[in-house]
Amino acid sequence: AQSVAQPEDQVNVAEGNPLTVKCTYSVSGNPYLFWYVQYPNRGLQFLLKYITGDNLVKGSYGFEAEFNKSQTSFHLKKPSALVSDSALYFCAVRVITYGGSQGNLIFGKGTKLSVKP
Amino acid sequence: SQTIHQWPATLVQPVGSPLSLECTVEGTSNPNLYWYRQAAGRGLQLLFYSIGIDQISSEVPQNLSASRPQDRQFILSSKKLLLSDSGFYLCAWSVTQLGLAGGNTGELFFGEGSRLTVL
Repeated sequence: AQSVAQPEDQVNVAEGNPLTVKCTYSVSGNPYLFWYVQYPNRGLQFLLKYITGDNLVKGSYGFEAEFNKSQTSFHLKKPSALVSDSALYFCAVRVITYGGSQGNLIFGKGTKLSVKP
Repeated sequence: SQTIHQWPATLVQPVGSPLSLECTVEGTSNPNLYWYRQAAGRGLQLLFYSIGIDQISSEVPQNLSASRPQDRQFILSSKKLLLSDSGFYLCAWSVTQLGLAGGNTGELFFGEGSRLTVL
């Protein structure tokens, strides 16, 4: 079965320090990978995606993510965290079969990021 | 550019009352449309998705139903609400056809959500 795992319920970081939010996936077929951010009582906002090509992708608000095929991971990173980065982060995967058909987006359960001043 | 509107933003309803949440998308045609529920501010549960008018797929058996009377309109309904229907409901859309050349890579775009409290 296709799945996405975010092993940490919460990540705590001091402002100015680098942050990493982990994501691993298990799929058959080629994955399209996504990160979303959700602020309290708001909808999810798209941050970045990996489709093909360079394993390091850059997105909104200074975030980046590294696709690692051998480890089936897509960790979200930022070199210097801001208090305003505090939010709920979701990793998601869409499986593309060799026939080109797409499945629905599968979301991880979310990781709460807390950045303290 | 494409936009998605969802309303009402908040709703407090008694048990046994009906529900109607509405979602509309602008700036695109024939989108895939989705309803998700988020309980306790954490994981997302896909409730319904639609690939076209009157084409609805249900992911979980429940007290809710969905309809798509127009191409860019998606409605979530219930005839009689239960306490367990409380939650944060999110509408989303995506392109129907993937195509890397056109930049269509299947990400979802979400509305701002509707918080439902059933008392």
